[in-house]
This record gives sequence, structure tokens and C-alpha cells, in this order.
Amino acid sequence: QVQLQESGPGLVQPSETLSLTCTVSGGSVSSGSYYWSWIRQPPGKGLEWIGYIYHSGSTNYNPSLKSRVTISVDTSKNQFSLKLSSVTAADTAVYYCARYGTSRGSLAFDYWGQGTLVTVSS
Amino acid sequence: DIQMTQSPSSLSASVGDRVTITCRASQSMSSYLNWYQQKPGKAPKLLIYAASSLQSGVPSRFSGSGSGTDFTLTISSLQPEDFATYYCQQSFSTPHTFGQGTKLEIK
Repeated sequence: QVQLQESGPGLVQPSETLSLTCTVSGGSVSSGSYYWSWIRQPPGKGLEWIGYIYHSGSTNYNPSLKSRVTISVDTSKNQFSLKLSSVTAADTAVYYCARYGTSRGSLAFDYWGQGTLVTVSS
Repeated sequence: DIQMTQSPSSLSASVGDRVTITCRASQSMSSYLNWYQQKPGKAPKLLIYAASSLQSGVPSRFSGSGSGTDFTLTISSLQPEDFATYYCQQSFSTPHTFGQGTKLEIK
């Protein structure tokens, strides 16, 4: 059973960089069958795709966040990470990591972490 | 970006009811449409992928249909555990976008 677990600070100062890590168990980030994704959800609002990374390091980001986002992968630790720079209160959200299939019949977010709330505040 | 619009935004129904939620895309996207269920404080759960394929372990009372720009999620007989928020999501192109959600409440 694949499991994903987010970790990182729950409070970030405005203008600083938000950093989160997702640890994958029961599966491998080196698999060529998946993209490893970040999605966020502001309190009481809907879901926003942030971006994803392939095991090769190839990335795809949401243009609305692209200038501030970096997603990286560490295959030796079976982890992938998110960095979001110059944060404001608008970046306050629950951040989820998720697995996304690459083949035509599985283009969906099929496994999700439990989510971690990140609050941007001084 | 492909805009996803769900209707209704909220819905009240009773246990045993048949319920249909609609998702409309701003452009044609074949069958690249997924449905998720989210309960309060929990991560979304994949229910339906590729418009009509049931994810493993999901009860058969859930079904999906549609292609192009118009899609539906149907719950044939509501159970108490089905009261949640439902989201559609397009996998046709990036950025992957979600509908605004449909909150299904107990009548």
C-alpha cells in the first residue's frame, strides 16, 4: 500500500520560503509510471495544483505559481520536496503531496498524503 | 487554462436518494476527467478516473459518464458515508484544474 507523508514547518513568515517534504513508502519515486505532485487547498476553499516532478527531475508547474515554485526529488531517500518563495498570507493552505499516473488509463491523483497546514503569518 | 464548473455548488439529499453532480469544461477534453470525494479534515479520495472508470475499492453505487465538455457523477443510492464534498479534475492538459466543489449535505 502506497503511503505519502508531508512534513515541514506549520508557520512561515511573510516574504520567506515555504519548504515541505513528502516521504513515500510502499512505492518508489524512481518509478517511471508516476509524477509526484503538490496540491494545495486554502481554508474553506477548493483545490489548486501546484506542480509535479518525474523521477528524472523533469518538472511541470502551474503558471500562476511558476516564478516562485521549485519541486525537487531525492531518489535515495524516496522523497520529493516543495519550495515556495516570497510567501504571503494568500499562500496559507493545507498542502498535499500526491501521486499522479502517467499512462493514459491512470491520469489521476490516486494516492494522497494526509495534508499539512501551513500558515503564513508574522 | 481549462476552467471546470460544477453544478450545483451544494445539494441536500436523503439517504437512499439518487444524486447527480455535473461538471462542465471550458473546452473539449475527451474523457480526461476524474472525480474525487473529500470529507472534512481529510485528503481527497479518487472515485472515478477517465470519466467512467471506477477506482479500485470504490463502491459500485458511484458511476461517471460524459465526454467532451460535459460530465456527470451519479450516486445511485446515497449512504450516510457519502455526505462529503465532490470535486471534478481535468487531466487533459496542464495546469491541471479542479472544479469548485459540490457539497452534498443531509436533508
